[in-house]
Amino acid sequence: AQSVTQPDIHITVSEGASLELRCNYSYGATPYLFWYVQSPGQGLQLLLKYFSGDTLVQGIKGFEAEFKRSQSSFNLRKPSVHWSDAAEYFCAVGAQAGAGSYQLTFGKGTKLSVIP
Amino acid sequence: DTGVSQNPRHKITKRGQNVTFRCDPISEHNRLYWYRQTLGQGPEFLTYFQNEAQLEKSRLLSDRFSAERPKGSFSTLEIQRTEQGDSAMYLCASSLAKARYTQYFGPGTRLTVL
Repeated sequence: AQSVTQPDIHITVSEGASLELRCNYSYGATPYLFWYVQSPGQGLQLLLKYFSGDTLVQGIKGFEAEFKRSQSSFNLRKPSVHWSDAAEYFCAVGAQAGAGSYQLTFGKGTKLSVIP
Repeated sequence: DTGVSQNPRHKITKRGQNVTFRCDPISEHNRLYWYRQTLGQGPEFLTYFQNEAQLEKSRLLSDRFSAERPKGSFSTLEIQRTEQGDSAMYLCASSLAKARYTQYFGPGTRLTVL
């Protein structure tokens, strides 16, 4: 069965500093990988996704992520963090749940705090 | 284009009561998913519809949970005889058939069972 590990529960960075959020996945086949962001009390917004091809994918809000098959990782990066980036970030892997059924399996999330 | 909408946004109920939540997907999306998110955890998959057909329901947490999508448009999730452990955020997502893993989420319904 597929799984996702986000090793960092909480990260604090200063505004303007660079950011990297870690994600490791376990899945037997070629993974479909996603990063979502969730603001307090809100649903999840899709930041970016990887299906195949170029291992460096660009997303919204200036985020990017790099797929490394050898390390089973899909880390999220941003060169300069803004105060509005403070939120919780979830990494997810897409997999077939049953006949004709598809689900996302999420990590536990990383909460990002931004110091002005 | 309106996104996925969910109603109500918040529901407070007493233990033992039944509750029903509604999800309206993005209009052209024929696939609809329900997830549950408890405090400090990522969303957990519950069930999935393709049009009106419920293709996966084995992940529903107990037989107290049921979901419908009668005309392939909106969906409802019902929890009967609620328990305090049912307190969570219930999220709905939808996707196009050709992009089944690219799921767009609604704002969720926060359930509190007293």
